[in-house]
Amino acid sequence: DTAVSQTPKYLVTQMGNDKSIKCEQNLGHDTMYWYKQDSKKFLKIMFSYNNKELIINETVPNRFSPKSPDKAHLNLHINSLELGDSAVYFCASSQERPGVGQPQHFGDGTRLSIL
Amino acid sequence: AQSVTQLDSQVPVFEEAPVELRCNYSSSVSVYLFWYVQYPNQGLQLLLKYLSGSTLVKGINGFEAEFNKSQTSFHLRKPSVHISDTAEYFCAVSGKAGGTSYGKLTFGQGTILTVHP
Repeated sequence: DTAVSQTPKYLVTQMGNDKSIKCEQNLGHDTMYWYKQDSKKFLKIMFSYNNKELIINETVPNRFSPKSPDKAHLNLHINSLELGDSAVYFCASSQERPGVGQPQHFGDGTRLSIL
Repeated sequence: AQSVTQLDSQVPVFEEAPVELRCNYSSSVSVYLFWYVQYPNQGLQLLLKYLSGSTLVKGINGFEAEFNKSQTSFHLRKPSVHISDTAEYFCAVSGKAGGTSYGKLTFGQGTILTVHP
């Protein structure tokens, strides 16, 4: 009964490859997010989708492309992986309503290592 | 735009001692405030949140935090810590927008709390 699940948990690959990370939430939330946590544990938002519509796109290289087939899923595809992409990627979801701050529920993260 | 500063990168403390993890924020708009905890190799778990109303908020695992608007702070406290509280703690803010805020969270750098026996 995992609320926000990400796959894979670990991803080790070579520079230049293309890879995808999948995220699914069963909380009925309408907003999903991708965050990147670097080696110093600093967390930064990358993207946010609300009802399959891209809402937040923080200066992320074009090599990163999110895709939301429905409001329960938000996948992240990364082209031409670079060494600097090594990090932990977290998916999160929340139920956003105007003027009401809702807490976000996080997955356990995908640890991406680029060789 | 918002920013969050967690004033201590590491806080060592002995078991059953009180602890305070400090968080200051900067924002041009009113904010919602959150504390999250991250255990090793896990995602973030919400400890507590301040949306409005009483400035003292209580969360899970015996933690509480106080919102101080004049000092733009949201410090986290626990009167008596356990070994199991050893983790990294993140303070976060999101701006209240006129419309939907879409919950963009800005995080602090994290504070590693280590509880020694």
